[in-house]
Amino acid sequence: AQKITQTQPGMFVQEKEAVTLDCTYDTSDPSYGLFWYKQPSSGEMIFLIYQGSYDQQNATEGRYSLNFQKARKSANLVISASQLGDSAMYFCAMREGQGQNFVFGPGTRLSVLP
Amino acid sequence: EAGVAQSPRYKIIEKRQSVAFWCNPISGHATLYWYQQILGQGPKLLIQFQNNGVVDDSQLPKDRFSAERLKGVDSTLKIQPAKLEDSAVYLCASSLVTGRDGYTFGSGTRLTVV
Repeated sequence: AQKITQTQPGMFVQEKEAVTLDCTYDTSDPSYGLFWYKQPSSGEMIFLIYQGSYDQQNATEGRYSLNFQKARKSANLVISASQLGDSAMYFCAMREGQGQNFVFGPGTRLSVLP
Repeated sequence: EAGVAQSPRYKIIEKRQSVAFWCNPISGHATLYWYQQILGQGPKLLIQFQNNGVVDDSQLPKDRFSAERLKGVDSTLKIQPAKLEDSAVYLCASSLVTGRDGYTFGSGTRLTVV
């Protein structure tokens, strides 16, 4: 069974608008962390934002925020005021318990239109 | 702080040949990971080192893949003999501690097996 599901293979957004990238996850461990990474065409994975399973508030990092709905097991990434440089692949990932291994989703390709 | 260094950046080999990739993690990062990312998919963990010991290599195809981390710093990943399905980007990542920190990834090595 897929632990991380990203149902949007590709998304388009107009520059300066907000966009939401979906992520749902599956785990029975009460302690876990959710991460979002950006992968531009250069290939490296860039850490964006983290949400812990016990965190009371949704995480925010600059233009990135995470819409964490624990009961629904969803951790959607919201990018506000999209910029052309935001065009990239975006991966949702989960780390369970005390483990150090990430499980990544299949990714969403975001294209920002001028 | 210098990032995670990987080389080569690109490699093209014929099937049944051997190939090696090199990774130098961020100084002081005890944990090092090798991921395989097939085109259109999220990264998949191949092997995880803690210092120079293997923590998890359950998804490493041990009949053809090998990895080592000498002195708990640099690491090499080898494929021998290569198959067509090994064509992928091989990402190295390192981390300091488990928790809120994401990994720091290198730019990857893009391997094409023809």
